[in-house]
Amino acid sequence: QVQLVQSGAEVRKPGASVNVSCKASGYTFNTYGINWVRQAPGQGLEWMGWISAYNGNTNYAQKLQGRVTMSTDTSTGTAYMEVRSLRSDDTAVYYCARTNYYSSGSSDYWGQGTLVTVSS
Amino acid sequence: DIQMTQSPPSLSASVGDRVTITCRASQGISNYLAWYQQKPGKVPRLLIYAAYTLQSGVPSRFSGSGSGTEFTLTISSLQPEDVATYYCQKYNSVSVFGQGTKVEIK
Repeated sequence: QVQLVQSGAEVRKPGASVNVSCKASGYTFNTYGINWVRQAPGQGLEWMGWISAYNGNTNYAQKLQGRVTMSTDTSTGTAYMEVRSLRSDDTAVYYCARTNYYSSGSSDYWGQGTLVTVSS
Repeated sequence: DIQMTQSPPSLSASVGDRVTITCRASQGISNYLAWYQQKPGKVPRLLIYAAYTLQSGVPSRFSGSGSGTEFTLTISSLQPEDVATYYCQKYNSVSVFGQGTKVEIK
């Protein structure tokens, strides 16, 4: 069965970076893409960006351009998302979710979420 | 950037009621529209994609319609297990989520 298993909760100080991993199983990793979505406490869903596990193409949300990098390791079936220069409003649950390999689309399988807390 | 506006922000209905949630796009998006259900403390669940295609395993009381700029999610007969927040998502290149609609039982 398809599974996306994310890395554990993180606590960072403002200005630091965080890296969240998402290990896929149960499907051919490089025939899909990954959306990254975050949700601040009590708030709605926010799309952060997309990466193709087929060719590494990316598309980032404009508000995060320059602070976020998404990557994949097809040998291990793992996607990574790094956010730099963290601020308190980056505190959120971060989700990876499977989508199309050619463009950001709807997401049929989601990781369990990773809570990132930014606090001094 | 295209904006997605959901209405209402919340609603309360009785078990068995027909419930409709609307999602409007600031520009035409063809049928690149998905709907998700998120229960408290849970991961979002895909209900509908391509505006009206029901995801496998989703009960048939859920349906989607629309094209261009106006879309609706309908629950034909509200059940207690449908209490959740519902989000629309515009996709294709850049994705954008609506603000969500919280559905409660009266």
